[in-house]
Amino acid sequence: SAVISQKPSRDICQRGTSLTIQCQVDSQVTMMFWYRQQPGQSLTLIATANQGSEATYESGFVIDKFPISRPNLTFSTLTVSNMSPEDSSIYLCSVVEILGEQYFGPGTRLTVT
Amino acid sequence: DQQVKQNSPSLSVQEGRISILNCDYTNSMFDYFLWYKKYPAEGPTFLISISSIKDKNEDGRFTVFLNKSAKHLSLHIVPSQPGDSAVYFCAASSNAGGTSYGKLTFGQGTILTVHP
Repeated sequence: SAVISQKPSRDICQRGTSLTIQCQVDSQVTMMFWYRQQPGQSLTLIATANQGSEATYESGFVIDKFPISRPNLTFSTLTVSNMSPEDSSIYLCSVVEILGEQYFGPGTRLTVT
Repeated sequence: DQQVKQNSPSLSVQEGRISILNCDYTNSMFDYFLWYKKYPAEGPTFLISISSIKDKNEDGRFTVFLNKSAKHLSLHIVPSQPGDSAVYFCAASSNAGGTSYGKLTFGQGTILTVHP
């Protein structure tokens, strides 16, 4: 399976600031996603990171708040903009392999104060 | 609208016995199902998956059963080990439709505790 890394692993940020999370995969993958896990909750899909085009966002998530870049088939970034305490979550990237299995990165634990 | 449900928040099992984790879904478009194990402060670890064309898939100690008519799947872990203690999530996707491919809907998770 693909090896996925994320940076930073955790961060504590002040409200009103922005944080960019990086996701690096050790092989080229077609499909890459960003998920969020709020405290005590399940995982929720934020968006599909499309290589060379704008990301596709799920209901409740917008580009101004969560801009995503996907410059190539091994790398993506998610920015959490103008943060509030409600954005405190674990943010995870994932990739889909040929057989349909989906693998997740280790996550970025974000705390907004 | 919770399309994927894990109705048991927790499960406690003795080491060596069978653990059975259950999951129900409501969306009949789901055709691919996955189970993940998650430790605190880590990303979910993929365990096993099953396509809707099958009713059983086995990988070592892990077996997933799918009952499409009941919209129900279960994960069996035999024998259970203390290292299996974690949160288990089931997830589902609709891979037949192009725009939905790979998009996972997760259940709420079940905390499994395996006692020595």
